[in-house]
Amino acid sequence: AQKVTQAQTEISVVEKEDVTLDCVYETRDTTYYLFWYKQPPSGELVFLIRRNSFDEQNEISGRYSWNFQKSTSSFNFTITASQVVDSAVYFCALSEARYSSASKIIFGSGTRLSIRP
Amino acid sequence: DTEVTQTPKHLVMGMTNKKSLKCEQHMGHRAMYWYKQKAKKPPELMFVYSYEKLSINESVPSRFSPECPNSSLLNLHLHALQPEDSALYLCASSQEDSSNYGYTFGSGTRLTVV
Repeated sequence: AQKVTQAQTEISVVEKEDVTLDCVYETRDTTYYLFWYKQPPSGELVFLIRRNSFDEQNEISGRYSWNFQKSTSSFNFTITASQVVDSAVYFCALSEARYSSASKIIFGSGTRLSIRP
Repeated sequence: DTEVTQTPKHLVMGMTNKKSLKCEQHMGHRAMYWYKQKAKKPPELMFVYSYEKLSINESVPSRFSPECPNSSLLNLHLHALQPEDSALYLCASSQEDSSNYGYTFGSGTRLTVV
């Protein structure tokens, strides 16, 4: 069965600190997709990144970076030089690869990140 | 247009009321989804429509009735809800090859049942 674990329920850091959000997943599939979503107080889930199981290259996008390690089934997310606007709930998610009809994404329980000025 | 639009943004309804939530996208996505999110919890899948046909129903009570009139619209009809149904209801869409490319979410409808 698929499962996504975000052990950190809440994290609070001072602005400009670096912060890493952990994500560990379980799946029996060899092909799957991993995602990170951001949910600000307004409620909308904002797509941040998608990674397929065959691509273990780390990715950097501005202050955001992601570390995908299949050996430890982890897909961690780091924010460098955090800003108050980064305050939100962050969800890690997993989808099995499907190519006919719609399948579903399984979400972790989320990490609430608070950046203090 | 790269958005999923949900209306209304807020809804308060009594337990005997009938109301509908609406979702619209014009990205050509052929799969659309309803999720329910309680406070401080992750989104939970309710329904999936693929090519305008219901493909997944996650054992949702019949007081929630989805409808997909066309490829751009998704409705959720509500009737005889309970206070515990109060939540954020999120609509999402994805490309025809399902969730491989992730979802585009709407901003949700905050529903309060009184």
